Amino acid sequence: GQQVQQSPTSLVLQEGENAELQCNFSTSLNSMQWFYQRPGGSLVSVFYNPSGTKQSGRLTSTTVIKERRSSLHISSSQITDSGTYLCAMAYNYAQGLTFGLGTRVSVFP
Amino acid sequence: DPKIIQKPKYLVAVTGSEKILICEQYLGHNAMYWYRQSAKKPLEFMFSYSYQKLMDNQTASSRFQPQSSKKNHLDLQITALKPDDSATYFCASSQERGGEQYFGPGTRLTVL
Repeated sequence: GQQVQQSPTSLVLQEGENAELQCNFSTSLNSMQWFYQRPGGSLVSVFYNPSGTKQSGRLTSTTVIKERRSSLHISSSQITDSGTYLCAMAYNYAQGLTFGLGTRVSVFP
Repeated sequence: DPKIIQKPKYLVAVTGSEKILICEQYLGHNAMYWYRQSAKKPLEFMFSYSYQKLMDNQTASSRFQPQSSKKNHLDLQITALKPDDSATYFCASSQERGGEQYFGPGTRLTVL
């Protein structure tokens, strides 16, 4: 079955530092999404990015289909960025998303 | 106003009982999904529906039965509950299959 590998497992940042989160897939994909999971558990869609580069404020996502990878770049991290970032993919439209285990980001002043 | 409503937020059940988890979405989406998140495990896809028809079922057990009474509803009935069923169950929706998915707040189920 499809597998999604995220790295690193956890990341500790000082406020203002940049960070890059990686996601690697075992199969080709039709759908790819990054989520932020709040400490309370709710999930917020950060990017829907099956291919190419997308930017939203301080966050940038780049998905390279041929290399079966996606990255999430956080620039000038803030304390409010703390939480778990999950990447997920689907290889066909009938399927739901397959998730990675996440990267836990902790930002300190 | 929340766009995806899940009820209840918390649920405690005894082994062997039956429960129904409610999900309603007010995004006008045509595809809906159920996922499960257990401790130390990745979020796990369970079912997908499109226009009230089952598209994919990745649960190994028939104890889990989705029910779609209306286009914007996808409930989850769980019978013969086991302690291993303890998890947070998330409902999600997308405009069409394969599109960007939006998640509800989840129902945390504890089976004693």
